[in-house]
Amino acid sequence: DAGVIQSPRHEVTEMGQEVTLRCKPISGHDYLFWYRQTMMRGLELLIYFNNNVPIDDSGMPEDRFSAKMPNASFSTLKIQPSEPRDSAVYFCASRRGRIRETQYFGPGTRLLVL
Amino acid sequence: AQKITQTQPGMFVQEKEAVTLDCTYDTSDPSYGLFWYKQPSSGEMIFLIYQGSYDQQNATEGRYSLNFQKARKSANLVISASQLGDSAMYFCAMREGLVSGNEKLTFGTGTRLTIIP
Repeated sequence: DAGVIQSPRHEVTEMGQEVTLRCKPISGHDYLFWYRQTMMRGLELLIYFNNNVPIDDSGMPEDRFSAKMPNASFSTLKIQPSEPRDSAVYFCASRRGRIRETQYFGPGTRLLVL
Repeated sequence: AQKITQTQPGMFVQEKEAVTLDCTYDTSDPSYGLFWYKQPSSGEMIFLIYQGSYDQQNATEGRYSLNFQKARKSANLVISASQLGDSAMYFCAMREGLVSGNEKLTFGTGTRLTIIP
């Protein structure tokens, strides 16, 4: 089975540019999560979806960040405009909606904003 | 208060020895799950093992086992017969409120394990 797929794997952009990160969850998984990992703050949950509906976006740092899940097999995380402090690794994870099920992570997108 | 505490920022272990990575947690919820993830230098997060708060036995997955001491609120990861490929960051995580539908995983700060040949 294919795991969580993220693209791009690496992104270098200039401050002020729009960045779009993409995620394809594991087929059949009800939940999708977006995380950000930095040295200073560790792993932070940004937002998660259940059946394509955003449930909790309290971790989204600012209005510059937005996330969508138009269907069960695709989600995007957009940063507009990007800033150097957004540089981080962004992970997408998915899981099935059962109590003992774990979250399976994608390979991450390493974002560098210059 | 920290929800998940990993007190060992780094550990060096000789190859083939067993290693224990510490994790303590803080929750008042009776229903929770504890997870361990491995993050090698390539960056991906790999799920290793899960322990539910109501599980009667300690979880095991191959060379990984979880030493779950509920009264002490600890969930230490034990890796037996360590291998060079075990060198990585290891994160302990908790999901509280399993029954109430909480979906958030809270992660510890991680332990960097280095296996010495």
